[in-house]
Amino acid sequence: QPALTQPASVSGSLGQSITISCTGTSNDVGGYNFVSWYQQFPGKAPKLVISDVSNRPSGVSSRFSGSKSGNTASLTITGLKAEDEADYYCNSYAGNTNFAVFGGGTRLTVL
Amino acid sequence: EVQLLESGGGLVQPGGSLTLSCEASGFAFSNYGVSWVRQAPGQGLEWVSSISGNGVTTYYADSVKGRFTISRDNSKNTVFLQMNSLRGGDTAVYYCAKDLFGLAGRFDYWGQGTLVNVFS
Repeated sequence: QPALTQPASVSGSLGQSITISCTGTSNDVGGYNFVSWYQQFPGKAPKLVISDVSNRPSGVSSRFSGSKSGNTASLTITGLKAEDEADYYCNSYAGNTNFAVFGGGTRLTVL
Repeated sequence: EVQLLESGGGLVQPGGSLTLSCEASGFAFSNYGVSWVRQAPGQGLEWVSSISGNGVTTYYADSVKGRFTISRDNSKNTVFLQMNSLRGGDTAVYYCAKDLFGLAGRFDYWGQGTLVNVFS
């Protein structure tokens, strides 16, 4: 059972925006501003798209953004493109007890 | 360019052992933690273990604690994952990943993964 809760799937039309939520507890998401998001295509390694809640690594499209409120973090993708169709995972630092936790992943379908 | 290359995966019977290696390049290896994250077939990502840049600090997921050991050789830019008492539930693609900074629990670069298949 993943420590962080994500919706199994989300969908959006080309050009629209979607938001994926990631809910944890005060021991992980809520306790630290250390939430990251990864994009994964089938058969490929994950790629970091957002770090530390809202930082976008060099080379990642500005259409990707992140935020956090309480125990829930969110990834928003604006101006959806077909190439955004992938699985998205959230991850949080969880202190010295559990150290790192992941969400179960969300499959994004672009209609 | 940061690169991480895993090796050592394969087929193993339940109760058997396997050692994975992750050879890194393109960054100051001893300054960064390195972690192992696995993904069972058709499933999500699961953090397995992490080691600090100097090798002193290690963390393990409860599911592998006491069976897996992480270590590193900074002279060879390589991290290892010794896996003992393997079970069917350990079947997965194992990725090594560079920590964002120090020992961070978040990861900015990933290898391509190596498949471990525990079968009877």
